[in-house]
Amino acid sequence: DVVMTQTPVSLSVSLGGQVSISCRSSQSLVHNNGNTYLSWYLQKPGQSPQLLIYKVSNRFSGISDRFSGSGSGTDFTLKISRVEPDDLGVYYCGQGTQYPWTFGGGTKLELK
Amino acid sequence: EVKLLESGGGLVQPGGSLRLSCAASGFTFTDFYMSWIRQPPGKAPEWLGVIRNKANGYTTEYNPSVKGRFTISRDNTQNILYLQMNTLRAEDTAIYYCYNNYYWGQGVMVTVSS
Repeated sequence: DVVMTQTPVSLSVSLGGQVSISCRSSQSLVHNNGNTYLSWYLQKPGQSPQLLIYKVSNRFSGISDRFSGSGSGTDFTLKISRVEPDDLGVYYCGQGTQYPWTFGGGTKLELK
Repeated sequence: EVKLLESGGGLVQPGGSLRLSCAASGFTFTDFYMSWIRQPPGKAPEWLGVIRNKANGYTTEYNPSVKGRFTISRDNTQNILYLQMNTLRAEDTAIYYCYNNYYWGQGVMVTVSS
């Protein structure tokens, strides 16, 4: 299985600040078709996860441009700028390149 | 508006069976891969399996952790996704979500305990 490793496990931020979350995979996430199926999700307290970013850098419908994804191969980053209260929760990366699809362990974003 | 509504969860004894349903609306059901994902309380999500779309023959893939015990199926006339779970264990206790590669359902709790 592809192991997804997220760092840090938790992150404290001031409102209006900027944070970066790293996600590394144990194998390249480049699919045979050339696409890289790396997604980012946010799970707010008491809610289901929601898709933020798909295929490394594509923002999902309705997602603020304060969220940006980057990376390639095995190394990926989610950046959040001008952090707002509604951004708090647990962020997960996930890969859909190789079966079984797998998720990182999560990064909890909290207020400083 | 896309809606995914799971049902069928509850308390079941070890060794028992349960069938979850996910009623889908707001999108063309047959065009989408549909997955089941579970999340034990306080832990990361775990993908269980997927049933592909019409263009890919509705074939399935499973996580080895549940292969042989769990079966995913779909009713494309009623837009319902199913998860049949057999020989349940305590470690299967989790919130179970359906997912269409973009949206997650609200989840349903399954507790396996005597």
